[in-house]
Formats: sequence, C-alpha cells, structure tokens
Amino acid sequence: AAGVIQSPRHLIKEKRETATLKCYPIPRHDTVYWYQQGPGQDPQFLISFYEKMQSDKGSIPDRFSAQQFSDYHSELNMSSLELGDSALYFCASSSSGQSLEKLFFGSGTQLSVL
Amino acid sequence: DQQVKQNSPSLSVQEGRISILNCDYTNSMFDYFLWYKKYPAEGPTFLISISSIKDKNEDGRFTVFLNKSAKHLSLHIVPSQPGDSAVYFCAASSNSGYALNFGKGTSLLVTP
Repeated sequence: AAGVIQSPRHLIKEKRETATLKCYPIPRHDTVYWYQQGPGQDPQFLISFYEKMQSDKGSIPDRFSAQQFSDYHSELNMSSLELGDSALYFCASSSSGQSLEKLFFGSGTQLSVL
Repeated sequence: DQQVKQNSPSLSVQEGRISILNCDYTNSMFDYFLWYKKYPAEGPTFLISISSIKDKNEDGRFTVFLNKSAKHLSLHIVPSQPGDSAVYFCAASSNSGYALNFGKGTSLLVTP
C-alpha cells in the first residue's frame, strides 16, 4: 500500500540558505501535518492543512511557510536557515473525519544546516 | 513548555519479560492518547490508543493504562520480543484539533 512520501530524505544546507521539503500524502488523504524533531527532542507540531487551507498552526517560525496544492501534496519552505533548524521533519497525512489512529507518518526529511 | 513527558530515555528488557513505558502529561484538556513506535529511518507508526473515558485498552501483547487523576499513562508490552526494540513515543491531543503533542520518546531494547 502507498505510504506518505517525503522528499528529499536528506538535505544539507548552509546558514542563510533556503530549503524546500515536499510531502506526498496517501492517496485520498486531504489533510497534511508537518512536525519538526530536533536532536533529542520531541516532535513539535508546525502546521497543518486541510483541503489546501491552513487548518492549524503550531510552533512554526515566521521564516517558514507552507502550502498544500490541488493534488494535496504539501511543501514546507524554509528561508534564512539557522543552525537550530537542523532537525528531522516529518509529514503526516490523514483523511478528514477519521480518528487520530488513521494518521500516517512519512519517513521524514533529515535537514542539516552547516 | 513540554506538555507530554517521557522521563525515561531508554529501557532495556529481557525477551519474554514485561516492558513498561511511562508517560506523564500536564494539560488536563487532553482527552485522547496514543502510542507510536518508530524504527530507525522510518516514520512513527500508530501502535495503540486510549480515550480519556477509559482507563485501559488492550490489543494483543500491548496494553495501555490511563490514570487521569495522576495525568499518567503507561504502555505494557508482554511478553516482550526482540522485534519490539524501537523508540516509543507517547502522544496526546485535545478535542480542539488533531495536532499531536509528543513526548521525547523512550528507546526500548529487548535482548534475547
């Protein structure tokens, strides 16, 4: 069965550069969530989208923006990268109205900012 | 401010014995709790959940206990198997949204 696809798996950037992370949800899932997990930290909720509209906002820095496209994939855009942005970024998808048990995570994008 | 806490970063258990992973939370608005299992290079996968109206939920070798007055939940795995070795995340949510609040995870090692 198709899972949540995240690309790239690994990304290395330098300070002040920009990065774009992509997330392709499970087919027919209309909701996407982004989480950031720093080294030794708990995954922190950043932002979510439902039907291409932002549905909830967490601890996402102003330097970051995200959107969901008509095919339901989502992109997390990160500008003016800082060393502290180095983290594992998870995307998760679900279908609206389904329980949290039906939330599926991708394998994550490991971002390293040098 | 971390609302979900897993105070044991790691746990080692012998195969066949019981593994008990603990989780505490501070937000009394949380009404749904989930445990996720994560293998290296993979995303977290759902394991078991419990609603705040229950105090126990069982699924095969996995049982989650919820003590609302203590704001504490635990995951019991019995008997533990080497394939259970993974990082286990406790997560909680309130009915105001689907954003999950995670703990830092507990790395479980089940030795043969």
